[in-house]
Formats: sequence, structure tokens, C-alpha cells
Amino acid sequence: DVKVTQSSRYLVKRTGEKVFLECVQDMDHENMFWYRQDPGLGLRLIYFSYDVKMKEKGDIPEGYSVSREKKERFSLILESASTNQTSMYLCASRSGLAGGLNTQYFGPGTRLTVL
Amino acid sequence: AQSVTQLDSQVPVFEEAPVELRCNYSSSVSVYLFWYVQYPNQGLQLLLKYLSGSTLVKGINGFEAEFNKSQTSFHLRKPSVHISDTAEYFCAVTRGASGGSYIPTFGRGTSLIVHP
Repeated sequence: DVKVTQSSRYLVKRTGEKVFLECVQDMDHENMFWYRQDPGLGLRLIYFSYDVKMKEKGDIPEGYSVSREKKERFSLILESASTNQTSMYLCASRSGLAGGLNTQYFGPGTRLTVL
Repeated sequence: AQSVTQLDSQVPVFEEAPVELRCNYSSSVSVYLFWYVQYPNQGLQLLLKYLSGSTLVKGINGFEAEFNKSQTSFHLRKPSVHISDTAEYFCAVTRGASGGSYIPTFGRGTSLIVHP
């Protein structure tokens, strides 16, 4: 079974703090994704990583950065957290072979609250 | 560019009734289509996907979807729902072999609420 784990289920941070969200997958997948999920807006892509050290901006990258130093780990960084970054954050991985026909596997999500 | 429209944000239904969740996509190239389900407090998991071949695709938990190229639709159906089907359902599209983005585009989701 593919497993995607996220470091925290719930996180509470203060405005201005630097926040790290970690995601680890155990299937040797090339592609990894960070999404933000808000009611009525569905999933919005923040960043996408093709492979180690490769990244591409998604639809809403402002205020976020990412790091992919090892194949199994993809980190999302909020450089200076703001209240409008309060949201559910979902990580996903996917085999890079044959591109878009592959299934994405999602982690359970991290619900981040910024006070 | 590709886009996905889920026409209903919320669908209430009684237990054992049939249900259809609608999804329309926009793309100038061939596509792959997916339905994912998100149960409360969980991540998304795949229900079914259309890659090619038969336009009727069967998935887990008794769900099925029909790919209609002329109407650019991929509606999800179940003949008889259970309370446990209460969840958020997302339609997604990626490119096929001939171009477009292989980064998935998701719809905004449809909340299926099954009442006893």
C-alpha cells in the first residue's frame, strides 16, 4: 500500500512565524504536490516537484516556498505565516512514469491555523 | 488550458436513492479523467479513472462514471447510496498523449450528504 504521511494533523502558529510542513512518501514516486484546500474553492496547487531538486510553481505560490532534497520528502515552507494562510494543506505523490494517467496518492492533510 | 466544472456544490439525497454528481471539463486535447473521494478528516483517494477504451468506468464502492466526449462530461453515478457515502467528491483532469498539462486540474468539489 502506498503511504503518504504528513508531519502534523493540526498545527497552530502565530503571525510572522516560519512554518514547515513535511510530507514523506514510501513509493519512490518522482512527482510530489502541495495543495491548499478551502471550502468552496476545492484544491489549489501551490507547488509541484517533478523530481529531486526540481520544482514548479502552481496556481498560488505567493507566500510559500518548497524544498525537495530527497526523493521521498517534500517540504512546504511558509516564510512568514499570515492569517490568510489558515487552511487545510494536502500533500500528494504520483509516479512520474507515463505522466498524467497515474493516480495521485494523498496524505491525510495538515490543518494549519495562524493566529 | 484545461478546466473542470462541478455543477453542484452540494447534493443531498436519502439513503438507498440513486445519485449523480456532475462534472464537465474543458480541453482542446485528449484527456484523462479522475474522480476522487474525501471522507471527513481524511485525504483524497481514487474512486475511478478514465484513460481510454470503454466509456463506462467502474470504480470502488459501487460507483461508476461515463465519459461523454461530445458533451465533455464525466458524471459519477451510484444506483443506491449508503450513509457511509457521505463525503466530498472531486473531479480532476490531466492531459492525454497529445498535449496540455499533465498537472491535474481539480474541480471545486461536490459535497454528497446522505440522509437516513
